Amino acid sequence: DVKVTQSSRYLVKRTGEKVFLECVQDMDHENMFWYRQDPGLGLRLIYFSYDVKMKEKGDIPEGYSVSREKKERFSLILESASTNQTSMYLCATHPGTGLEEGTDTQYFGPGTRLTVL
Amino acid sequence: QKEVEQDPGPLSVPEGAIVSLNCTYSNSAFQYFMWYRQYSRKGPELLMYTYSSGNKEDGRFTAQVDKSSKYISLFIRDSQPSDSATYLCAMRRAAGNKLTFGGGTRVLVKP
Repeated sequence: DVKVTQSSRYLVKRTGEKVFLECVQDMDHENMFWYRQDPGLGLRLIYFSYDVKMKEKGDIPEGYSVSREKKERFSLILESASTNQTSMYLCATHPGTGLEEGTDTQYFGPGTRLTVL
Repeated sequence: QKEVEQDPGPLSVPEGAIVSLNCTYSNSAFQYFMWYRQYSRKGPELLMYTYSSGNKEDGRFTAQVDKSSKYISLFIRDSQPSDSATYLCAMRRAAGNKLTFGGGTRVLVKP
């Protein structure tokens, strides 16, 4: 089974703090993703990475950066947290290309609920 | 206008009823369609995966895709209280692994 773990389930930070959210996967998946989930808005893609040291902006990258120094680890960084970044953050992985239908999917971690005061 | 529209619910049904969920989308480039189930305080997990128009069945779950109408559905037969969750539709283009999600529908199955 794919296992995707996130460093914290709940996190409370103050405005202006630098925040690190970590995601670790144990299945050697090529692709990793960071989403935020807000009521009524569904999941919105922040950043994704197709390979080590590679990153691409998603739909809402403003205020965030990412780091992928090792294949199994993908970090989301809030350089200066703001109250509008209070949200549920979800990490996901994807095996890569050339897959059979049905295995071509994203696997999610349990999420980190971040509150910025 | 969002690319993928999904009624947020909540949808409340008695145990044993059929649950009917749907999503509409505007981008004809979407070719692969998925339904994820998300329990409270958990990450989403894949429930159904479809490519072509038509029906796909897996146990109590049936996924339908109508590409001509840009409309997808998920039906849950003989619903159980354990089916209470938020159901998210997701879709992607032919190339790449980026998914576009609907907002999710919260379902409550009452015993």
